[in-house]
Amino acid sequence: AQTVTQSQPEMSVQEAETVTLSCTYDTSESDYYLFWYKQPPSRQMILVIRQEAYKQQNATENRFSVNFQKAAKSFSLKISDSQLGDAAMYFCAYSRPGNTGKLIFGQGTTLQVKP
Amino acid sequence: ETGVTQSPTHLIKTRGQQVTLRCSSQSGHNTVSWYQQALGQGPQFIFQYYREEENGRGNFPPRFSGLQFPNYSSELNVNALELDDSALYLCASSLEIGYGYTFGSGTRLTVV
Repeated sequence: AQTVTQSQPEMSVQEAETVTLSCTYDTSESDYYLFWYKQPPSRQMILVIRQEAYKQQNATENRFSVNFQKAAKSFSLKISDSQLGDAAMYFCAYSRPGNTGKLIFGQGTTLQVKP
Repeated sequence: ETGVTQSPTHLIKTRGQQVTLRCSSQSGHNTVSWYQQALGQGPQFIFQYYREEENGRGNFPPRFSGLQFPNYSSELNVNALELDDSALYLCASSLEIGYGYTFGSGTRLTVV
């Protein structure tokens, strides 16, 4: 069975600084998708970034980028130039390529952004 | 597009009762997934529906059941409520199973 682990329950960053959130996962499959979702107090899960395992290039979306280490089964999220609006709970998630609606989530990391 | 809407936003029920949670997806979204998120935890997959048929289930007992309707709405039903069923219930829908999913804002269920 696949598992996703986030070992940092809470992180904090100063506004405009950079922060990295960690995620490790376990799977015996060679092809899969990895995601980072943001959940603000509004509770709606918002997709931040997605990485396909077959792609060696790390995904980037504006200020958000990932460091995907397939052999190490590590998938960290880097947030550059942190903004107050980035404060939220962040979840790492895994899915098979054929079904992105069946997500396996980590426990989450609460990110605090200090002005 | 009108997004994914869940109702009600909050609900309090008594142990042993039954509850129905609703999700209204965007037009054309043929698949919907439901998740249970306990306080301070990541969401756990309950089940998925595709074109009105169940298409996969997580580790939840049969008292958790669902329906998907032709008008792109869906329901999550929970019978014989237990205190541990208190959680945020999220639905997420998509055009097709392998596409990106849009989440609703959830229903906060409290069982007393």
